[in-house]
Formats: sequence, C-alpha cells, structure tokens
Amino acid sequence: GIQVEQSPPDLILQEGANSTLRCNFSDSVNNLQWFHQNPWGQLINLFYIPSGTKQNGRLSATTVATERYSLLYISSSQTTDSGVYFCAVGPGAQKLVFGQGTRLTINP
Amino acid sequence: GAGVSQSPSNKVTEKGKDVELRCDPISGHTALYWYRQSLGQGLEFLIYFQGNSAPDKSGLPSDRFSAERTGGSVSTLTIQRTQQEDSAVYLCAGDGTSVNEQFFGPGTRLTVL
Repeated sequence: GIQVEQSPPDLILQEGANSTLRCNFSDSVNNLQWFHQNPWGQLINLFYIPSGTKQNGRLSATTVATERYSLLYISSSQTTDSGVYFCAVGPGAQKLVFGQGTRLTINP
Repeated sequence: GAGVSQSPSNKVTEKGKDVELRCDPISGHTALYWYRQSLGQGLEFLIYFQGNSAPDKSGLPSDRFSAERTGGSVSTLTIQRTQQEDSAVYLCAGDGTSVNEQFFGPGTRLTVL
C-alpha cells in the first residue's frame, strides 16, 4: 500500500517565524489533503491539493505529483498555529492513508 | 468540519461490552468513511461507504467490528466484546464539494476499562 512520510516529526518555533512541512508518498495519488488537528482533536481541512499550488492567507501548499511530495508553508506563525499537521493521500474517492504528522509548537 | 456530527463524544465501557458509535454526515453526501486514531497506530482507515454499500471494509481490525449505513445517511459502527486495545478516537468523515475531499467529524473517544 501507499506509504506516507512526514518531516520533521517535531518543530518548535518562535512566534513570527516561517516554517515548511514536508510530505513524501510512495505511489501516484489522486487525493492529497493537509489537515491541522487542534488541541481538541478536531481535524481541520487546510488544503485539498493533489497537484499544483494553493494559498489561503498565511498558509500555502504545493504538491509535485510527479516527484511524489507535497509541502505546506506557514508564514508569520502565530501561537494558534500550534498543533499536529497531517498529510493524507489516496487513490481518489476512497480511503486516505495518513502520515504520522508533524507536531508544531509556536512559542510566544 | 462540513457539518459531520458524531455521538457520543465520549464513551467509557467495560471490557467485554458491546458499543455503538454513530455518525451523521451532511444530508445528500454519498460517501462516508470511518477511521480511528490511537496512540500507537496513528490515524487508520476502517471502512468506506458509497451510499448504503461498503466497497472497502479492509481496515476493520477483526470480526468484532462491523458497520452499517441506512438510507444513505446515518452510519453506525459497532464493536462487540470490546477489548482494551479498542480504546481510541473513532472519526467519521464525509465527502464535500470536491468529490475526493473528506471532512471529518469531531470524533468519539472510546475508553475500554
């Protein structure tokens, strides 16, 4: 099955810093999503991005499907950005395979 | 997210008891997914429904686990004879405006004593 690796596993930054989170996957996919899991455990959709680049405020994401990786950029980090960020991939309208996540801590 | 609701939010049960977890997706959305999140295993797929049928049950960990969906809407995940290793957060997801995109409910935290 598809393997998903996220890096780094942990990231600690000061407020205002920028960060890049990476997701590598082992096979071609038709579905790639980035989620933020908040402290209450809710998975918040950030991007649906099987290919290309998208931006939403301070967040942006790029997926290079031919090279099987995706990047999530967070600029001007805020303490509310803390939490676990998950990348999940799949063949289409079927199951998602999740990476192990990147735990981001933003200190004031 | 996207109006998916789950109940109960928390469930504590004793080993050996049966439990039922409920998922209410957005009305009219045909796909529904169950996942679970546990400390040792991360987020794992359990089962996927398209309408009332389940084309992929490959993630159900044992025959103690079953799920059904009626009327193309509400789904129930049943765990029989619960074991301590069943303790986890059980998450339900529905599809959204992009046909492949999944939106998750708040989850049910199951604790088996």
